[in-house]
Amino acid sequence: GAGVSQSPSNKVTEKGKDVELRCDPISGHTALYWYRQSLGQGLEFLIYFQGNSAPDKSGLPSDRFSAERTGGSVSTLTIQRTQQEDSAVYLCASSLVAYSGEQETQYFGPGTRLLVL
Amino acid sequence: QKEVEQNSGPLSVPEGAIASLNCTYSDRGSQSFFWYRQYSGKSPELIMFIYSNGDKEDGRFTAQLNKASQYVSLLIRDSQPSDSATYLCAVAFSGGYNKLIFGAGTRLAVHP
Repeated sequence: GAGVSQSPSNKVTEKGKDVELRCDPISGHTALYWYRQSLGQGLEFLIYFQGNSAPDKSGLPSDRFSAERTGGSVSTLTIQRTQQEDSAVYLCASSLVAYSGEQETQYFGPGTRLLVL
Repeated sequence: QKEVEQNSGPLSVPEGAIASLNCTYSDRGSQSFFWYRQYSGKSPELIMFIYSNGDKEDGRFTAQLNKASQYVSLLIRDSQPSDSATYLCAVAFSGGYNKLIFGAGTRLAVHP
């Protein structure tokens, strides 16, 4: 079946503009995660969704960042008033469930490369 | 602050050798551990997961977990140039759902 998809694959924007990044999880996966990876760095957790609700937003770096998920499927990460330090690869992952007594594997999408000029 | 530590490398090994990648973590109660491989410019892909102390083998890969010492390792036998990538250790910390904390990754270079 299809994997996690993300769009756009690349985004170049000017400082101060808003951007929206989209994630389509694997069909049937109830849990969805957003991560950020800066150049040469590890993955930084941003937010987690279980269904349409976000029990953990603790990783969002500032109030310029927000995310929503509708229909238990597609998720959108929005960055308002982008700054140069927002430049990174934004990765989305999904898993069948979030916590089942054993951890469920997270499958990653190809990422969106964001460059803020 | 929950942490996952890895040596950034690069770890350079000759083709056919065993590559040993190590990871330590701070939360003694952690239950689940994952190794992801990431090629340059690509997204992470799962290599193995391990939940129990001891060794877990899958083909050329062996994951080793020692919860008492709070480390997890990945051995790659008969290393191939195609194994050259960054290997990310990820830990699901105790008391939480499936939130993974990633190490910064170890870059592995396998030379012919």
